[in-house]
Amino acid sequence: DSGVTQTPKHLITATGQRVTLRCSPRSGDLSVYWYQQSLDQGLQFLIQYYNGEERAKGNILERFSAQQFPDLHSELNLSSLELGDSALYFCASSVGTSGVGTDTQYFGPGTRLTVL
Amino acid sequence: GQNIDQPTEMTATEGAIVQINCTYQTSGFNGLFWYQQHAGEAPTFLSYNVLDGLEEKGRFSSFLSRSKGYSYLLLKELQMKDSASYLCAVRALGDYKLSFGAGTTVTVRA
Repeated sequence: DSGVTQTPKHLITATGQRVTLRCSPRSGDLSVYWYQQSLDQGLQFLIQYYNGEERAKGNILERFSAQQFPDLHSELNLSSLELGDSALYFCASSVGTSGVGTDTQYFGPGTRLTVL
Repeated sequence: GQNIDQPTEMTATEGAIVQINCTYQTSGFNGLFWYQQHAGEAPTFLSYNVLDGLEEKGRFSSFLSRSKGYSYLLLKELQMKDSASYLCAVRALGDYKLSFGAGTTVTVRA
């Protein structure tokens, strides 16, 4: 158990709908990262928050957005869902030091999203 | 961005040794990570290298050569539970995110 929690574990929804995925980081970690893993793409970085502020952005679609709240939990919002959005969505957390040293990312169990 | 290559699949026998290679290209380097991922589960951290050389952790070792843009993960005394995907990930200088390779699926046979 990494200490990172994600809910829900599974989500099944229809095209065009909107969903919210939730992540709570490990105690003491200030940084949260969101990754998407689909069968043909591997793990792709979406976005990072540090202590409530957006810090880095990857190939995140405009239909997707995220935020980190004062209690450091984070939510990833996916809207106008398409079939191709079906994937495993992982949240990871780290202490979030300035990109030096180990600053290991620890991953949550993921949310499996199925868009029908 | 980073270009990270690792073999797609490897098969080995229980008790044997397997070496998973990873090559990368990056503009500025600030660490290489190896993760293990069982199907449908979260990646779990195995090792971290930022300086050249070998890091040993029980049955797992990881090696880095920065000048060659090369790393390997060595799995010794293979067990059936080691059947999983092994992900090589690179962090660029001044960056926070990890860029992952596609992963190497290791199958351990009895």
